[in-house]
Amino acid sequence: EPEVTQTPSHQVTQMGQEVILRCVPISNHLYFYWYRQILGQKVEFLVSFYNNEISEKSEIFDDQFSVERPDGSNFTLKIRSTKLEDSAMYFCASSEEGIGVGELFFGEGSRLTVL
Amino acid sequence: DQQVKQNSPSLSVQEGRISILNCDYTNSMFDYFLWYKKYPAEGPTFLISISSIKDKNEDGRFTVFLNKSAKHLSLHIVPSQPGDSAVYFCAAPTKTSGSRLTFGEGTQLTVNP
Repeated sequence: EPEVTQTPSHQVTQMGQEVILRCVPISNHLYFYWYRQILGQKVEFLVSFYNNEISEKSEIFDDQFSVERPDGSNFTLKIRSTKLEDSAMYFCASSEEGIGVGELFFGEGSRLTVL
Repeated sequence: DQQVKQNSPSLSVQEGRISILNCDYTNSMFDYFLWYKKYPAEGPTFLISISSIKDKNEDGRFTVFLNKSAKHLSLHIVPSQPGDSAVYFCAAPTKTSGSRLTFGEGTQLTVNP
């Protein structure tokens, strides 16, 4: 069964460092997303990406965050200068169609710990 | 953001019995709802969805009920199995963009053998 894969599974970084989280969405999917879940809190939307551009971003997704689809398979989330409060589980997701029509398929997550 | 709320953080049931997980929403513009299941160290997995034009959707042991007047939905699992033990999230996409899912807090279901 096709799946969304994410790397790394866990990354520990120092505050102020840049982090890149990588995702390989399901191959025929057209919509890509990043969500995050801070420990003990809700799963929160960060950004959606379609047709090589951001289609929507949340208030959390400030100038420190960026996304890129550098080739036909990878979808990355970059945090330019990490803060302590960026520590969370980051989930990549993809869908064949937009939400409201199709479901999102999530990866297993990348745990980011900022010290 | 309290647009989707799951008031019960946990639920414990016996194997073979019914599990009922509840979700309330405040945004009357929501017209599509999804339930996701999440095991530890894994991402959420889609379970079942319902459109607001329906009041019930069934898939095997899983049934979702939607009460639009009460802005309430529930997920019924019957019979419950130990493998169903997981965190269950209800979610809804925003009407304006359709690309953002708003999640509830989640309910930890434990099915005891």
